[in-house]
Amino acid sequence: DVKVTQSSRYLVKRTGEKVFLECVQDMDHENMFWYRQDPGLGLRLIYFSYDVKMKEKGDIPEGYSVSREKKERFSLILESASTNQTSMYLCASSNSGRAIFFGPGTRLTVL
Amino acid sequence: GQQVMQIPQYQHVQEGEDFTTYCNSSTTLSNIQWYKQRPGGHPVFLIQLVKSGEVKKQKRLTFQFGEAKKNSSLHITATQTTDVGTYFCAGPRAGGTSYGKLTFGQGTILTVHP
Repeated sequence: DVKVTQSSRYLVKRTGEKVFLECVQDMDHENMFWYRQDPGLGLRLIYFSYDVKMKEKGDIPEGYSVSREKKERFSLILESASTNQTSMYLCASSNSGRAIFFGPGTRLTVL
Repeated sequence: GQQVMQIPQYQHVQEGEDFTTYCNSSTTLSNIQWYKQRPGGHPVFLIQLVKSGEVKKQKRLTFQFGEAKKNSSLHITATQTTDVGTYFCAGPRAGGTSYGKLTFGQGTILTVHP
């Protein structure tokens, strides 16, 4: 069964902290994504990676960076967390042209 | 830029009633995908439509892809409480290194009153 796992379901951080969200997929997918989901705003793409060490900015990359050192792992980094980054973060993976598989999400609260 | 719009934003039905959500893209799509997100859950892939005018069924769910490949619909016959959730459509992003990037609609939130 295909699986995308995320390191935490819930996370509480303080303003200014550096935050790491980890994601692992076991499907040998080429593409990995980070989305954030907010009420009324739908799913917004933060960053995308189509290969190891390759990345592209999505729609809302400001305040975020990513790392993909291995094919199965894609990390989202909040360099200096702010309250407006309180959100649900969803990692996902796919092979091009096919379904996207989402992880369970990390609900991040920044105080 | 490319936009994918879904209507309605919310739909409340009585159990047993039918439900339809519509998806419209500002650009022609090579395919369209549908996802369902249960309350408290994450989006789960339902189906992909590729051909112009294509119709696919999954039990009580019927998916259609428009002739011009710019719109799509999801129809649920005789809704059940298990159908509750948010339904998203998504189309491949136009131009550039798409590599499977999708533009998601805003979603339709379906609630079902027993």
